[in-house]
Amino acid sequence: QKEVEQNSGPLSVPEGAIASLNCTYSDRVSQSFFWYRQYSGKSPELIMSIYSNGDKEDGRFTAQLNKASQYVSLLIRDSQPSDSATYLCAVKRGGDKLIFGTGTRLQVFP
Amino acid sequence: DTGVSQNPRHKITKRGQNVTFRCDPISEHNRLYWYRQTLGQGPEFLTYFQNEAQLEKSRLLSDRFSAERPKGSFSTLEIQRTEQGDSAMYLCASSEEGQGFATFGSGTRLTVV
Repeated sequence: QKEVEQNSGPLSVPEGAIASLNCTYSDRVSQSFFWYRQYSGKSPELIMSIYSNGDKEDGRFTAQLNKASQYVSLLIRDSQPSDSATYLCAVKRGGDKLIFGTGTRLQVFP
Repeated sequence: DTGVSQNPRHKITKRGQNVTFRCDPISEHNRLYWYRQTLGQGPEFLTYFQNEAQLEKSRLLSDRFSAERPKGSFSTLEIQRTEQGDSAMYLCASSEEGQGFATFGSGTRLTVV
């Protein structure tokens, strides 16, 4: 079992829809979770961090954390074609190193 | 400060040659990380430094790989006797201690032919 698992996709949604991206993790002691966005050929950029159970909203993005079920999700409201990218879920380990999932490729079509 | 800088952006090398990459982190960040990313995968942790001390190395980091951060500022990653399996994007990231998240550089894409 991988430490961080994501569906590789692609997830295709129409412009204006809500995109829902999911991630599960295996280590129950994990405390810090991150979503990075990576455009093709580019490096990952941080879009959300979440540390407590529940929802955290930032603009069109909402991160959701459920530690009991060991899953993290990212919702993107009013999806735009510019949101088309790979979304990487990451879990922090000791020393602040990050363990990444394989990423979910999102395609937003006009 | 323009963020995390990596050089070169691309490197093509013949199998068996040695290569060295450089990373300049964000100036106030005392932690520096190296990751490797292959197509269709997420970044994989290789090693990290706190200041000049290398605190952890992944099992992925064979003895052909060595990383240094001699003055606690920039870092180099050297791969000796490159193999085709070393072809990947090598990403550097930096953070402040306890910040939790890391900021990535643009990466160095290595192709071993």
